[in-house]
Amino acid sequence: DTAVSQTPKYLVTQMGNDKSIKCEQNLGHDTMYWYKQDSKKFLKIMFSYNNKELIINETVPNRFSPKSPDKAHLNLHINSLELGDSAVYFCASIGGLAGSYNEQFFGPGTRLTVL
Amino acid sequence: KQEVTQIPAALSVPEGENLVLNCSFTDSAIYNLQWFRQDPGKGLTSLLLIQSSQREQTSGRLNASLDKSSGRSTLYIAASQPGDSATYLCATTGANSKLTFGKGITLSVRP
Repeated sequence: DTAVSQTPKYLVTQMGNDKSIKCEQNLGHDTMYWYKQDSKKFLKIMFSYNNKELIINETVPNRFSPKSPDKAHLNLHINSLELGDSAVYFCASIGGLAGSYNEQFFGPGTRLTVL
Repeated sequence: KQEVTQIPAALSVPEGENLVLNCSFTDSAIYNLQWFRQDPGKGLTSLLLIQSSQREQTSGRLNASLDKSSGRSTLYIAASQPGDSATYLCATTGANSKLTFGKGITLSVRP
């Protein structure tokens, strides 16, 4: 009955590879997010989608491409992985774009290690 | 641009002590403020959410306050326990439900 789920939980890969992280929410929410938590544990927003439409892009390198096939899914594809991409990536969702008063629900995170 | 600050970065207290964690933010135009808990290697657990029109919220031994005009929030933990040891993050919600996080306070409660 996980509300926001992410796969995989751990991802270890070589520099230069392309990889994807998947996120799904079963809460019926309209808006989903990707956050990055770096080695210093600082959490920062990357992207936000509302009903499959990109609404926030926080100056993330274009090697990162989010894809939202439907409003319950927001995947993150990363091309040409670099050492600095090593981090924990969290997916989150919230009910309604105008529902800024609502609580955000977070997934368990995907720990990406680039060697 | 919103900036959220949490000082100190780490705190160690003996079991049973009441403590206050501080959070400050630069832009008072927020929808709400959330306090999260993060255990090592784990995800985020939402503890309390205070709407911009509210002054405080309580859940069990936790009480969070919000003073939007001064850009401050506090998380009060009563009768701390070793199980409270974790990193506590505060985050403001702005336009498009964008969360801006502080860097967190790592709390250690000594038995």
